[in-house]
Amino acid sequence: NAGVTQTPKFQVLKTGQSMTLQCAQDMNHNSMYWYRQDPGMGLRLIYYSASEGTTDKGEVPNGYNVSRLNKREFSLRLESAAPSQTSVYFCASGGLLNYGYTFGSGTRLTVV
Amino acid sequence: AQSVTQLDSHVSVSEGTPVLLRCNYSSSYSPSLFWYVQHPNKGLQLLLKYTSAATLVKGINGFEAEFKKSETSFHLTKPSAHMSDAAEYFCVVSGQRGFKTIFGAGTRLFVKA
Repeated sequence: NAGVTQTPKFQVLKTGQSMTLQCAQDMNHNSMYWYRQDPGMGLRLIYYSASEGTTDKGEVPNGYNVSRLNKREFSLRLESAAPSQTSVYFCASGGLLNYGYTFGSGTRLTVV
Repeated sequence: AQSVTQLDSHVSVSEGTPVLLRCNYSSSYSPSLFWYVQHPNKGLQLLLKYTSAATLVKGINGFEAEFKKSETSFHLTKPSAHMSDAAEYFCVVSGQRGFKTIFGAGTRLFVKA
């Protein structure tokens, strides 16, 4: 009963540190997404990958990079963390047709 | 361009009474529309979706939504609220092929005993 798995679940970083958030899905979905969730702002798209080997910017890509390692895995990297990146990060995957997404359980990141 | 507006940031109902969560959208082409639910400290779960088939869409846990093109609305309803429905609900409009999906700011539903 997997679906979309995110690691870690919690992380505290100091300003300027780097880290990678990992995401893996086992549903054979083509597209994968990274969102951030901030109070009162819903979810905002950071980057997405329409299919293996492709990535594109979303609404708020600055300060982030992504890698679509294979069909299953899509990682999000913060090269130099800033307090403004304190947020809850969600990974999601979607099938070929527009039938909605499956979300991971989230990573709560605090940058101090 | 697309946008979605959830008209209420908070809604409070009593257990056993109807639920109405309001959503208006804007899209330059025929949209796909979704409602997701998020329980505290959890990920988002798909409740229901509209993808240009029937305008009245039934979802999980007794929720349904009606697509009204003339009003550009996609309101979520449930006849009788249950305590377990207390959560945050997101209305979502999706671009063609599902990329660059736009989320509303969310409506937090409170259910009183």
